[in-house]
Amino acid sequence: AQSVAQPEDQVNVAEGNPLTVKCTYSVSGNPYLFWYVQYPNRGLQFLLKYITGDNLVKGSYGFEAEFNKSQTSFHLKKPSALVSDSALYFCAVRDMGAAGNKLTFGGGTRVLVKP
Amino acid sequence: NAGVTQTPKFRILKIGQSMTLQCTQDMNHNYMYWYRQDPGMGLKLIYYSVGAGITDKGEVPNGYNVSRSTTEDFPLRLELAAPSQTSVYFCASTLTENTGELFFGEGSRLTVL
Repeated sequence: AQSVAQPEDQVNVAEGNPLTVKCTYSVSGNPYLFWYVQYPNRGLQFLLKYITGDNLVKGSYGFEAEFNKSQTSFHLKKPSALVSDSALYFCAVRDMGAAGNKLTFGGGTRVLVKP
Repeated sequence: NAGVTQTPKFRILKIGQSMTLQCTQDMNHNYMYWYRQDPGMGLKLIYYSVGAGITDKGEVPNGYNVSRSTTEDFPLRLELAAPSQTSVYFCASTLTENTGELFFGEGSRLTVL
């Protein structure tokens, strides 16, 4: 079984400050890890993924995430948040050995960036 | 390219009615998925398909049916609507098992009264 936990329902940050959205995962094998963003009344959009290789992954809109195998974490970060980053963020995991490319999503973290 | 297109965007059903949510993708993706999104619960996988003619259950398949007669289309059928099926439904697709990146439609908001 695979699972994802996003411990924070909401993260508030001032514009220009660093943004971190936390994610921990559980899989029986090696993980594929993903971050998606959802703007109001829209579908999810892919931000970045970790498959293998460098633990620091860079993605769209200046976001990055760090894979930490020992802590089973994949936190999303942005050095300087923008008001336009306000959205709902989802972490997702897939067991590399599982068929069907079925992703398991976390419950989501709402990010509010204040001017 | 249109990507993943879902219809309708909004629908209100009465208990016991039936309906089909349509999903079409024009990216020639083999893998297609139906998720439902409930507040604070993330997305739950209902059904998925790895190619035309092949479908399989996800985490929450009860009350739903799917078919995949073509690569492009993956409709989701609700036979006897129940209030518990009030949700936002998302269709998604991806090219191969190895890419992992899903492309999502805009969603269909369904209310069952």
